[in-house]
Amino acid sequence: EPEVTQTPSHQVTQMGQEVILRCVPISNHLYFYWYRQILGQKVEFLVSFYNNEISEKSEIFDDQFSVERPDGSNFTLKIRSTKLEDSAMYFCASSGGASLGETQYFGPGTRLLVL
Amino acid sequence: AQSVTQPDIHITVSEGASLELRCNYSYGATPYLFWYVQSPGQGLQLLLKYFSGDTLVQGIKGFEAEFKRSQSSFNLRKPSVHWSDAAEYFCAVGRPGFNKFYFGSGTKLNVKP
Repeated sequence: EPEVTQTPSHQVTQMGQEVILRCVPISNHLYFYWYRQILGQKVEFLVSFYNNEISEKSEIFDDQFSVERPDGSNFTLKIRSTKLEDSAMYFCASSGGASLGETQYFGPGTRLLVL
Repeated sequence: AQSVTQPDIHITVSEGASLELRCNYSYGATPYLFWYVQSPGQGLQLLLKYFSGDTLVQGIKGFEAEFKRSQSSFNLRKPSVHWSDAAEYFCAVGRPGFNKFYFGSGTKLNVKP
C-alpha cells in the first residue's frame, strides 16, 4: 500500500536555526498538507499546497514558514528561524483531490525539538 | 468556528471488552467526519469516514462509528478490543468545499490483558 514518508523522524535544533522537514507524498496525489501537534495539544492545520502554490494557510503559518515542492516527489516545510514554541510533531499529508471525498493520508511525523 | 472535542484523554479497557470513544463537534452544517488512529512511531491511519448517507459507518480493524446529528457526535465503537488496538485515536472534522481538517486532542487507549 502506498504511504507518505517523512524525514527525519526526529530533529533537534538550536533556537534561531533554520530547519527543513521533508515529506514524500503518495506519488499520484495532487494536494499536500502540513499539520503540527504541540505536545499535549491538538493536531493543527498549517498549510495546504496545490499546483505549486499555497491554497490555504492558517494563522500559525507566518513568514517564518515556507513550503516547497522542489522536484516531482518531495514536499518540504522550512522554518527559517526556529523558536522554542515551534517544538512539535509535524505531520505531512497528501490527498488525490481537493474535495474531502478524497482521504488525506498522513506520514509518521517529524518530531522537532528546539532548544 | 469549527471545533472538535474528545472528552476522554485516556481510556483503559480489558481485552475483549467493548469500546466507545467519544467525539463531539461544533459546525454549522453537516461536516465530513473522520477517525484516525496513531500507533507509536506510525502515522495517522484512517479508520473510517462519514460524508453522507447511512449514519452508521464501518471501518477497518472492526471499528464502526455512528453520526448523530442531534447530539453533534461521531463516537467510535468496537465490540471486542484486542491488545493491538492500544494506540491514540483522533477524531477530525472537515468542511465541505475546504480541504483542511480540524482535529480533536486525541484519546489514548490502553488495553489490559
